[in-house]
Amino acid sequence: KQEVTQIPAALSVPEGENLVLNCSFTDSAIYNLQWFRQDPGKGLTSLLLIQSSQREQTSGRLNASLDKSSGRSTLYIAASQPGDSATYLCAVSTSGSRLTFGEGTQLTVNP
Amino acid sequence: DTGVSQNPRHKITKRGQNVTFRCDPISEHNRLYWYRQTLGQGPEFLTYFQNEAQLEKSRLLSDRFSAERPKGSFSTLEIQRTEQGDSAMYLCASSSGVGDSGSAFFGQGTRLTVV
Repeated sequence: KQEVTQIPAALSVPEGENLVLNCSFTDSAIYNLQWFRQDPGKGLTSLLLIQSSQREQTSGRLNASLDKSSGRSTLYIAASQPGDSATYLCAVSTSGSRLTFGEGTQLTVNP
Repeated sequence: DTGVSQNPRHKITKRGQNVTFRCDPISEHNRLYWYRQTLGQGPEFLTYFQNEAQLEKSRLLSDRFSAERPKGSFSTLEIQRTEQGDSAMYLCASSSGVGDSGSAFFGQGTRLTVV
């Protein structure tokens, strides 16, 4: 059974800091890994999708890496802003197309 | 198309009542998923449709839950005889992946409170 773990559970940083969120998964036989953002009481917004054959994806200030063999992914956020405050969720797709999610990292960026 | 749409956004119901939620996926997406999320947790998979066929169901989907996707367009999720433990955010997502290559796009969710 696939299990996804995200560390840390919560993170508070001053504005402008670069930060890294971590995600690990137990079954390396994945099709892809996706990072999402969730604002309180809202749905999920897709940030980055990394296919199993890829090593990283970039979008603006966000960079996600994937090391499938070790079962790890990181989300790097450069020059953090208060508007980045949200919960960040990592999810992997294995068989059957379902996504298995971690419990998320709650990020607070202080002005 | 503005994305995945879910209705209602909020639902408060008394224990024992039936509720039905609706999801309208992105129009060209053939895959549709339902997830449930409780406070402080990541979403948990409930069920998955490819077109009108329900291809996978989680053990979380008890016999009080039923989902349909007639004609492969919108989907409904019905919960019969609701219990307080059913209180959660119910999220719908859609994708158009070839194999598993497509990004999943989520709706804003329906928050269910059972009192």
